[in-house]
Amino acid sequence: SAVISQKPSRDICQRGTSLTIQCQVDSQVTMMFWYRQQPGQSLTLIATANQGSEATYESGFVIDKFPISRPNLTFSTLTVSNMSPEDSSIYLCSGEGGGETQYFGPGTRLTVL
Amino acid sequence: QKEVEQNSGPLSVPEGAIASLNCTYSDRGSQSFFWYRQYSGKSPELIMFIYSNGDKEDGRFTAQLNKASQYVSLLIRDSQPSDSATYLCAVNSQPGYKLSFGAGTTVTVRA
Repeated sequence: SAVISQKPSRDICQRGTSLTIQCQVDSQVTMMFWYRQQPGQSLTLIATANQGSEATYESGFVIDKFPISRPNLTFSTLTVSNMSPEDSSIYLCSGEGGGETQYFGPGTRLTVL
Repeated sequence: QKEVEQNSGPLSVPEGAIASLNCTYSDRGSQSFFWYRQYSGKSPELIMFIYSNGDKEDGRFTAQLNKASQYVSLLIRDSQPSDSATYLCAVNSQPGYKLSFGAGTTVTVRA
């Protein structure tokens, strides 16, 4: 299984600012994903991070708000732009581990004031 | 209709008992099914996956899949306090690894 790290682990940000979250996988993976988990809720897929092309966003998520980079097969970033308190959440990245399994990073806990 | 539905919790079981978790899914074409365990404040951890009808056992965990009924379950035998967590059912309904998650069932094992 892939080992995934994320930075930062948590942050407190002011309304209107942006935060970039980094996700590093210890091996090359074709598929990486970004999820959001709001308090007491399950996971919602934000987008699939594609290496060499634009990310594929799910309904309700747009590139201007959540730009994603995927420069290589081990790294991706998610930016949460022009933040509001409604963006307070845990953001999780995942990588595929073979057999359509996914393994998750430890998450980034974001609080927007 | 939600894509993946889990039995509402919380589920409280005594130590040593069997905890039974249920999950139904709407897409009949779904091929891959996963159970994740999530401790409070932690990220989801993959504990079981199943692709074929029938049972799959791994230690104290058994996953059961019935594609005709669009139903997948997880049994935890000899439940331990360390099993207290939220269990998430996830289904791959489309090619390319994209998962749909259920809302989760919180299990509490009473010592």
